[in-house]
Amino acid sequence: SYDLTQPPSVSVSPGQTASITCSGDKLGDRYVSWYQQRPGQSPVLIIYKDDRRPSGIPERFSGFNSGNTATLAISGTQAMDEADYYCQAWDTSAFYVFGTGTKVTVL
Amino acid sequence: EVQLVESGGGLVQPGRSLRLSCVVSGFSFDDYAMHWVRQAPGKGLEWVSGISWNSVSLDYADSVRGRFTISRDNAKNSLYLQMNNLRAEDTASYYCVKEVDTSGNYFFDYWGQGTLVTVAS
Repeated sequence: SYDLTQPPSVSVSPGQTASITCSGDKLGDRYVSWYQQRPGQSPVLIIYKDDRRPSGIPERFSGFNSGNTATLAISGTQAMDEADYYCQAWDTSAFYVFGTGTKVTVL
Repeated sequence: EVQLVESGGGLVQPGRSLRLSCVVSGFSFDDYAMHWVRQAPGKGLEWVSGISWNSVSLDYADSVRGRFTISRDNAKNSLYLQMNNLRAEDTASYYCVKEVDTSGNYFFDYWGQGTLVTVAS
């Protein structure tokens, strides 16, 4: 199996940058996507192919992937960014693998 | 506007069966692979099953293989998940999701609102 590990929680002050890591063996050799899930809502794609943003996703969301770690950064964090965030990669045997999820709290 | 609307969830006893449905609109359904992803209450996301556009390729997570069957009807723009021999650990919200496959990059660009399946006696 292939596992992706995220920190359970990240806290950030409004206007600051939140960084969420996603760790997996040789993750940099795979493409990583990120999803945002606000309370009571379905997940929404916010990053694909490591660093690409779908149409309508604010520029304050950015991604990077290298080595064993992918990172989602939220710059100028707003109260509306408070949500759970999941990384995701594809594995030839396990197919779609999701990270353990990170709860972002805007203090 | 892309829409994926799931139905069929509910309360079911352990060992019984349930069939989930997902009706989609706003895109060419028969051009895309589709999947089911679930989320147990308060837990993370778990991929369950996927089906190619032409139903030739069917994939399952180890946790459901042999009990769940995915299918689709392109004429009806519909995706299904037949769940047999349900267990308490299958309790979750089940999401219908649309796959994007671009040069080896696989991800989900649209998600339904989810349908809750509760397995309990």
